[in-house]
Amino acid sequence: GAGVSQSPSNKVTEKGKDVELRCDPISGHTALYWYRQSLGQGLEFLIYFQGNSAPDKSGLPSDRFSAERTGGSVSTLTIQRTQQEDSAVYLCASTLWGVGELFFGEGSRLTVL
Amino acid sequence: QKEVEQDPGPLSVPEGAIVSLNCTYSNSAFQYFMWYRQYSRKGPELLMYTYSSGNKEDGRFTAQVDKSSKYISLFIRDSQPSDSATYLCAPGSNTGNQFYFGTGTSLTVIP
Repeated sequence: GAGVSQSPSNKVTEKGKDVELRCDPISGHTALYWYRQSLGQGLEFLIYFQGNSAPDKSGLPSDRFSAERTGGSVSTLTIQRTQQEDSAVYLCASTLWGVGELFFGEGSRLTVL
Repeated sequence: QKEVEQDPGPLSVPEGAIVSLNCTYSNSAFQYFMWYRQYSRKGPELLMYTYSSGNKEDGRFTAQVDKSSKYISLFIRDSQPSDSATYLCAPGSNTGNQFYFGTGTSLTVIP
């Protein structure tokens, strides 16, 4: 596609439920990032995929968070047993070869009640 | 110590003012220095990108990098209401997870 696409744009869920957030990066971009942005906070790095290499999961805040990237393209971020503190905007970004400009999606706004 | 420190503001200026936004960073391995602009409820978009110390100008925007003091600045001349957004500095390197973001400075330009 023309840009990074994320879905859903908004998600409201109840505490304890699982959620899946999807990211479709720019075609041909080998590197994909997930960030979390809470109100008044900067971008918190979550996970980084680069080609076929093992992902850098060092930013995942707990084992309730996981992500996968299938076929080197679409990525899914899964949050299990959601908590209220998980409420945030989850941003996906991609870049060619992992250098240069990061292109961001519009984000998925998650609200956990 | 955080990788990147940025004053979150908020900053409010009258239209036409010169705006100065600043960040400091701690990692001397950073080689790329970027500024992203984020409008409300949108994803960040790249505004300025520079590789080295010195100034880079693009229209009303000037990015300044001082590697010796690990200090990054963005200047906006003749600020416009359309410049109202959050500005994030983002130094990066060539290895691993390359991009580190400041908390962002919220700017409002009042007509």
